[in-house]
This record gives sequence, structure tokens and C-alpha cells, in this order.
Amino acid sequence: TQLLEQSPQFLSIQEGENLTVYCNSSSVFSSLQWYRQEPGEGPVLLVTVVTGGEVKKLKRLTFQFGDARKDSSLHITAAQPGDTGLYLCAGTTGTASKLTFGTGTRLQVTL
Amino acid sequence: DADVTQTPRNRITKTGKRIMLECSQTKGHDRMYWYRQDPGLGLQLIYYSFDVKDINKGEISDGYSVSRQAQAKFSLSLESAIPNQTALYFCATSDLGTQYFGPGTRLLVL
Repeated sequence: TQLLEQSPQFLSIQEGENLTVYCNSSSVFSSLQWYRQEPGEGPVLLVTVVTGGEVKKLKRLTFQFGDARKDSSLHITAAQPGDTGLYLCAGTTGTASKLTFGTGTRLQVTL
Repeated sequence: DADVTQTPRNRITKTGKRIMLECSQTKGHDRMYWYRQDPGLGLQLIYYSFDVKDINKGEISDGYSVSRQAQAKFSLSLESAIPNQTALYFCATSDLGTQYFGPGTRLLVL
């Protein structure tokens, strides 16, 4: 079974602070996705990274895929209350479109 | 209108009852999935279907069954519900990459 461990599990910060969420595995993934889920809704895709060492930026969010394609990180600069939610990483192997989800990081950003 | 819809949104049932959760999509995708979400465990794959004639078990299929009635419809059944099946259930569809999730069904088994 492929496992994706996320850390931290919970994070409560104030508006304007920076934070990093980590997603780690002992398995190699062909691609890694990050989703955000808000209460009462399903997860929504933020980004997909496919190349080892790849860095993608989405406004204040920076995503990195590890060189060995076993880990990933999400960095948020100057967090805002609208960033509050559950962040999930998910990996795929081979050409299958099955996802293995991480354990999730619940972020709360307060004023 | 939402691309992926789930019914019901909330359901309370008793141990031993049979229930069905339904999912419909208007995205035209062949691939559909059922997940359950428990606190601290992320999403776990129950069943998935890559087309109408293709049904596959996921990580936690015991106690569940599915039916792919059409490209747009994929239903999940609990033949005899038990309390540890209390969870949030999500349906999803995908093209080759992105998965698109429904709003979820919150199920409570008493």
C-alpha cells in the first residue's frame, strides 16, 4: 500500500504569516496533485506536478515536487483567511488515473 | 448546474439497513470513482470505473457494492450498513488527469 503522510496535521496561523505543508512517501509517484477542500464541498484541484524538482507557482502558493518524486511541499506566502481549508496531496503511479490521497492538513488563517 | 451531483446530501440510517448513494455527472467523462473520507485519513478509494463495463475494487471495498448504470451515473450501495461506515462519501469523475468531485454525502449509521 502506498502511503502519503502530510505534516503538520493542523495549522492555525494569523493573516500575513508564511507556512509550508509537507507531503512525504516512501513510494515514487509519476505525478503529484494538490487539492483544497472547503467545508461542505468536495476537493478542488490546485496544481499537478509531474517532473522531479519541478516548482510551480499559483499566485501566493508555491508547489515543489521532490527530485526523487517521493515528496512534495506547498508553501503559502502571506496567508489570508480565504486560504482556510483542508489541503490534500494525492499521487498517481504509472498511467492509471487512480489517486492515492494524503492524510490532509487542516489550515486555519485568522485575522 | 453542478457538473457532479450526489444524492442524498445527508442520510441517517440504522444498522443492517440497505442504502444507496447516487452520483450523476454532466462532464462526459468515462472515469468515475467513489471515496470515503474520515477525519485524519484523507480520502480512501472504495470503487472505480473506467467505463460502463469496467468496475474495479479500490482500497476499502468490503461492505460496499457499485453499479454503473450509464456513462453519467455511478451508484454506491451499502448492503447492510454498520456504524463504522459512518463517513463522508464523495463521487468523482476524471479525464486523464484532474479529478472533479461532487459535494459529498454525509452518512450516519446508528
